Amino acid sequence: DIVMTQSPDSLAVSLGERATINCKSSQSLLYSSTNKDYLAWYQQKPGQPPKLLIYWASTRESGVPDRFSGSGSGTDFTLTISSLQAEDVALYYCQQYYSTPPWTFGQGTKVEIK
Amino acid sequence: EVQLVESGGGLVQPGGSLRVSCAASGFTFSSYSMNWVRQAPGKGLEWISYISSSSSIIYYADSVKGRFTISRDNARNSLYLQMNSLRDEDTAVYYCARSLGNIGTRPFGDWGQGTLVTVSS
Repeated sequence: DIVMTQSPDSLAVSLGERATINCKSSQSLLYSSTNKDYLAWYQQKPGQPPKLLIYWASTRESGVPDRFSGSGSGTDFTLTISSLQAEDVALYYCQQYYSTPPWTFGQGTKVEIK
Repeated sequence: EVQLVESGGGLVQPGGSLRVSCAASGFTFSSYSMNWVRQAPGKGLEWISYISSSSSIIYYADSVKGRFTISRDNARNSLYLQMNSLRDEDTAVYYCARSLGNIGTRPFGDWGQGTLVTVSS
């Protein structure tokens, strides 16, 4: 199984500042025939289901504010919130959907306001 | 608007059975693959099962293989998860999630609100 490891487990950022979450996979998520990285990012607020933010490592889902961006390829990926807003306080998960299942998630990163 | 509404959760004893359902609306249900993802209290997300649009392809996580059965009824726009031989560690919120398309190798674009299954004596 592909293991997804996020860092840090939690971070506190001042309003308007940048938040950066890292995600590392135990094997490459870059599929050679499509040249795409099979990596997604989700946001989960308390008491709510997860919400898809980013897929193909860097494609923003419709309606997601452009302060959210994804980058990276292969085994190392990053979710960046360029200017943290109060409504961004949440848990963030990376997920690989590469090849056959199981499709696995990182352990989550909690983002708080400093 | 896409809507996924789970139901059927509740308290069940270890070794017991339960069927949870997911009613879909706002999209052509028969054109999309569907999944079940669970989240134990205070824990992270675990994908547990996938079914293609025509039910021809089904996958399970090892943690539920042989005990859980996923199915769908495209005429009723509904997804199901039959859970047998339930264990304490199956206690979780169970979410249905729509794949972005009819291929397994796609992220989960829409999620229901979840239904809580508690396994306890």
